[in-house]
Amino acid sequence: EAGVTQFPSHSVIEKGQTVTLRCDPISGHDNLYWYRRVMGKEIKFLLHFVKESKQDESGMPNNRFLAERTGGTYSTLKVQPAELEDSGVYFCASSQPGSYEQYFGPGTRLTVT
Amino acid sequence: AQSVTQPDIHITVSEGASLELRCNYSYGATPYLFWYVQSPGQGLQLLLKYFSGDTLVQGIKGFEAEFKRSQSSFNLRKPSVHWSDAAEYFCAVGAYGTSYGKLTFGQGTILTVHP
Repeated sequence: EAGVTQFPSHSVIEKGQTVTLRCDPISGHDNLYWYRRVMGKEIKFLLHFVKESKQDESGMPNNRFLAERTGGTYSTLKVQPAELEDSGVYFCASSQPGSYEQYFGPGTRLTVT
Repeated sequence: AQSVTQPDIHITVSEGASLELRCNYSYGATPYLFWYVQSPGQGLQLLLKYFSGDTLVQGIKGFEAEFKRSQSSFNLRKPSVHWSDAAEYFCAVGAYGTSYGKLTFGQGTILTVHP
């Protein structure tokens, strides 16, 4: 069974540009989470989808971030426009319905210059 | 506010030595806890988990952790460290009563293993 996959693995963009990160959860996992680790800091929760619905988006830093999960399968996280402080590693995780156990992807390293 | 503390940012041990990584949490609700490991260039791998019951839990790669409610701790241990254990380790805590939601992570502990 394939694990959580994320694309791209690394993205380098200039300040003011737009970037879209993609996450493919494990098949059958209704729960999908986004987290972010800014350099030197802890991994922080961004938001949680249950199928296509946003269950909790309390961790989204501001309205430059837009997450979608159309059809309840893969999810995208768009940053527009990107700022220097958005640099970090963005992790996606998924879990089965009714499970607290989250499986993480390899992360996307975003560098904003 | 919920918080997780890993007091040691960096630990160095010799191969074959024992290891203990500390994790303390502050949570208003009944917690469930995880330890994850991230090797260089890899994603987060689940080492072990505690939901309820026996407070000593066994994980993969010979790791174990003990949940101590009175001390609000969930320390990770391994009796004999291997060079391949060099990685960054994260303690993460969630709260029952939420909708299978967010985890709060500690800052991570980088483990270096000397031959």
